[in-house]
Amino acid sequence: GQNIDQPTEMTATEGAIVQINCTYQTSGFNGLFWYQQHAGEAPTFLSYNVLDGLEEKGRFSSFLSRSKGYSYLLLKELQMKDSASYLCASMDSNYQLIWGAGTKLIIKP
Amino acid sequence: GAVVSQHPSRVICKSGTSVKIECRSLDFQATTMFWYRQFPKKSLMLMATSNEGSKATYEQGVEKDKFLINHASLTLSTLTVTSAHPEDSSFYICSTRGTGDTEAFFGQGTRLTVV
Repeated sequence: GQNIDQPTEMTATEGAIVQINCTYQTSGFNGLFWYQQHAGEAPTFLSYNVLDGLEEKGRFSSFLSRSKGYSYLLLKELQMKDSASYLCASMDSNYQLIWGAGTKLIIKP
Repeated sequence: GAVVSQHPSRVICKSGTSVKIECRSLDFQATTMFWYRQFPKKSLMLMATSNEGSKATYEQGVEKDKFLINHASLTLSTLTVTSAHPEDSSFYICSTRGTGDTEAFFGQGTRLTVV
């Protein structure tokens, strides 16, 4: 079956670095997405990886290892506004997004 | 980037009534629209995929007679929750994709509360 696993909740300190891991098993693979979702709002796009390696975009970076079915989202210089849920999603062979349950990130001063 | 406009953002309705949620793609033609439902602290659950000019494809367990989807044009898809009940209370989100089948663009979401 298709499955996405990511931690339920993480806590980090303002100004620090946090890594949110995601493992996936999908029928085929057409890319791995990370989205940020604040409570009561729709998700917003953060990153897309389809090749192995690290993609850096400002304070956020995303890594993919297709052989391991593994990705992580790295957030640097954490700010209070980064408190949100972070959703990992894998696109399968039918171009459907399979979503993880999300990781709630709590930032403490 | 593409913009998907979803209305209403919040709706409260009485049990037994119907509610229509609209999603419009504002700057591109959306041949495919995805409708999701999200419970608190849960992942997005795909309800159905609508294709312009044809019948929607519903996921297993989703009642197609209860959740009516219409995708009559390339810029508008609607989800109607018929005879709503309190258990239908949830966050409903529409989504489409741009060219190249990569990034998904989401509507703002609709918080439905059935009382």
